[in-house]
Amino acid sequence: DTEVTQTPKHLVMGMTNKKSLKCEQHMGHRAMYWYKQKAKKPPELMFVYSYEKLSINESVPSRFSPECPNSSLLNLHLHALQPEDSALYLCASSQDGDRGGLGTQYFGPGTRLTVL
Amino acid sequence: SQQGEEDPQALSIQEGENATMNCSYKTSINNLQWYRQNSGRGLVHLILIRSNEREKHSGRLRVTLDTSKKSSSLLITASRAADTASYFCATDQAGTALIFGKGTTLSVSS
Repeated sequence: DTEVTQTPKHLVMGMTNKKSLKCEQHMGHRAMYWYKQKAKKPPELMFVYSYEKLSINESVPSRFSPECPNSSLLNLHLHALQPEDSALYLCASSQDGDRGGLGTQYFGPGTRLTVL
Repeated sequence: SQQGEEDPQALSIQEGENATMNCSYKTSINNLQWYRQNSGRGLVHLILIRSNEREKHSGRLRVTLDTSKKSSSLLITASRAADTASYFCATDQAGTALIFGKGTTLSVSS
């Protein structure tokens, strides 16, 4: 199984709502990632989890709160978002890096988030 | 911040033609990877080339890497309409995260 799943596919929320995005993989990967992608732009790294511990936070506002309950799951909790946070949120996973660096990242289909 | 810069930003060709995209980066890398993204979808890994490699092939894809020039190219031969997508290079510079370039949008018409 080389699939990363993400739910929901689409999410519309108001600025006062609290919602969560979910990501799941069963490839035994120990690194998981959240990216944000605006239209016609490349993915921007938000968070990296390695062995279920947060290893990188790219100065993301606290209204985004990641959580890694176990090695297969990654959540992104959303609270008090702004309209400019509307974007495609992508989850990815990868094997540990070796001497040749980071390996292939497997991406989920993304959650299209709209903040009203 | 993005490290890779793709060139061209957009490319339109006919089916059967070859498509070449270039990627430049700024610092030393462990490896360079190419991904494809169909509109509004997740990214799909195409090929990974390590810093000690110069060329790799996968099906209709050919990737070259010139570490002295800090550049890479992706060649898609005999393009098909299904190759229409955005293509991103991504560099692993510190073994912790990939940095994606701005991407090339390829349009293949039949």
